Amino acid sequence: QVQLQESGPGLVKPSQTLSLTCTVSGGSISSGSYYWNWIRQPAGKGLEWIGRIYTSGSTDYNPSLKSRVTISVDTSKNQFSLKLTSVTAADTAVYYCAKRGEIWGQGTVVTVSS
Amino acid sequence: EIVLTQSPGTLSLSPGERATLSCRASQSLSSSSLAWYQQQPGQAPRLLIYGASSRATGIPDRFSGSGSGTDFTLTISRLEPEDFAVYYCQQYGSSPLTFGPGTKVDVK
Repeated sequence: QVQLQESGPGLVKPSQTLSLTCTVSGGSISSGSYYWNWIRQPAGKGLEWIGRIYTSGSTDYNPSLKSRVTISVDTSKNQFSLKLTSVTAADTAVYYCAKRGEIWGQGTVVTVSS
Repeated sequence: EIVLTQSPGTLSLSPGERATLSCRASQSLSSSSLAWYQQQPGQAPRLLIYGASSRATGIPDRFSGSGSGTDFTLTISRLEPEDFAVYYCQQYGSSPLTFGPGTKVDVK
C-alpha cells in the first residue's frame, strides 16, 4: 500500500523560499504512468492545486503560482519536492502531496511569518 | 480555467436521510473527468468518486456519482454519522486542475 509523507520547515520568513518534500513508501515513484501533485489549503478555506509532476519528469503548474513554483522528483530517494519562492502570508496553508487524487499525505502546516 | 460551483453551501440533514450535492462546471468536462472528495476536520481529503461515477477503492455503495458535461451530482443514499463532513468536487481533465468551494453536510 503506497503511503505519502510530507516534510519540511513549518515556519518560513516572508520573501524566502518554501521547500517541502514528499516521501513515497510502499511503492516506487517511477513505476507506472502517474502524476504526483502538490495541493494546499489555507485554514478554514478550500483546496488549491499547485502543480504536478509526471513519472516522465514533465511538470504542469497552476498559472496563478507558476512564476514561483518548481516541482522536481528524485527517483533514487523515492521523493518529489516543492519549492515556492518569494513567499508571503498568503502562502500560509496546509500543504498536501498526493498520488493523482487517490492517495494523499496527511499534510504539513506551513506558516509564513517573520 | 474551468470554474466549479457547488451547491448548496451547507446541507443540514439527519442521519438516515438522503443527501444530494451538486457540482456545476463552467465548461464541459472531457471524459467526465470529475472527482468527489470527502474531508473530515483536520484530515486530508479522501477520494470517493472518480470519472464522475466510479467509486474509489473501499468506498461504501451508499455513495454514488452521476452526471456528464457540466452538471454532476454526488448522492449519499442514507447518511451515516461518519458522513457529516465537507465534500469537494474536482475536475482533472484540463489544466489547471480546479476544485469547487465545497459543500458542508452537517447534522440537523
